[in-house]
Amino acid sequence: GDSVTQMEGPVTLSEEAFLTINCTYTATGYPSLFWYVQYPGEGLQLLLKATKADDKGSNKGFEATYRKETTSFHLEKGSVQVSDSAVYFCALLLRDDKIIFGKGTRLHILP
Amino acid sequence: ETGVTQTPRHLVMGMTNKKSLKCEQHLGHNAMYWYKQSAKKPLELMFVYNFKEQTENNSVPSRFSPECPNSSHLFLHLHTLQPEDSALYLCASSQNLYEKLFFGSGTQLSVL
Repeated sequence: GDSVTQMEGPVTLSEEAFLTINCTYTATGYPSLFWYVQYPGEGLQLLLKATKADDKGSNKGFEATYRKETTSFHLEKGSVQVSDSAVYFCALLLRDDKIIFGKGTRLHILP
Repeated sequence: ETGVTQTPRHLVMGMTNKKSLKCEQHLGHNAMYWYKQSAKKPLELMFVYNFKEQTENNSVPSRFSPECPNSSHLFLHLHTLQPEDSALYLCASSQNLYEKLFFGSGTQLSVL
């Protein structure tokens, strides 16, 4: 069935380190892909999205590229900050309007 | 501030209690959702309302009862819950079904 798989957390990095959070998916057809972020004590917020193959979503220094050949949508940032500490969710929107979230990856950034 | 407000932020209840969670959005959105967030599990979609009509009920036990009196308000009525129902309950809204979701901060529910 349709699913989203994210790397297990928590991920702990030092400030200014390079970040990659892996996300792969299984879906029939061509879904839209999203990254949501949940800061402590808050609900989820859309971080970025891509709607078709080879699209790159970007926001707040984060980027992710829709890779159809590897069914992946890895989240990257070149230099993380303490304020990036949060839980990150990969999600896909199927053509029948179903949205599926991954389990989330908790990110800790140390000063 | 996402424009979606949930109350209360925290709720502790016994298994025989009846309580309600409230969600309000002033974004002019047409669709509203209830999600359950448990530790180390994917977000679980519970209910979906589109133009005040329930379009989805994801096999949620009847001890959870949603109500959508208008397109700006969504309630989740709770009755005789179980300890395993303890979780963060998130409300979300979107202009159209499953387009960009705007989430509230959630209600952290503990069932004793």
